[in-house]
Amino acid sequence: AQSVTQLGSHVSVSEGALVLLRCNYSSSVPPYLFWYVQYPNQGLQLLLKYTSAATLVKGINGFEAEFKKSETSFHLTKPSAHMRDAAEYFCAVSSMDSSYKLIFGSGTRLLVRP
Amino acid sequence: DARVTQTPRHKVTEMGQEVTMRCQPILGHNTVFWYRQTMMQGLELLAYFRNRAPLDDSGMPKDRFSAEMPDATLATLKIQPSEPRDSAVYFCASDTIGQANTEAFFGQGTRLTVV
Repeated sequence: AQSVTQLGSHVSVSEGALVLLRCNYSSSVPPYLFWYVQYPNQGLQLLLKYTSAATLVKGINGFEAEFKKSETSFHLTKPSAHMRDAAEYFCAVSSMDSSYKLIFGSGTRLLVRP
Repeated sequence: DARVTQTPRHKVTEMGQEVTMRCQPILGHNTVFWYRQTMMQGLELLAYFRNRAPLDDSGMPKDRFSAEMPDATLATLKIQPSEPRDSAVYFCASDTIGQANTEAFFGQGTRLTVV
């Protein structure tokens, strides 16, 4: 069965600093992985997805993530944080049963200090 | 701008009342998911439909929850009777073809409070 683990329920960075949000996956088959962002009182919006085409995936708003099979990781990064990046971020893996439902991590809340 | 539309955005109801939440998926999407988000459990899948057929509702309490898709433009999630523990944000999401490498598009959610 597929699963993801997000390390750190809260991450705090200064504006302009590097953002690093961690996600490790567990899967018996090559996974399809996703990062979503949720702003307050909003739904989830796709940031980027990994579907085996390239290990470094670029997404919206300057975010990117690198798939590392040897580390079973799919960490999300952004070189320079903006105040508007403050939100909750969810890593997800696609289930490989016929539902192809998304299995979400517990989320990481990103705080950006001025 | 195609988007998933959910109504109502907020609902406060008394315990024991019936609650109906509605979702209009993106036109042409063939898969619809219902998720529930709580602080304790995070995001949980309640049910999903493909081509309007219910394929899995094992995540729902069967005695009080029901999900239907009367046509391609409307999915409903009903709770009867509602209980305080049902308080959560309920999200509908739709997917183009419901495959492993395609992403789900989420609505803005219905925040349900049962008092």
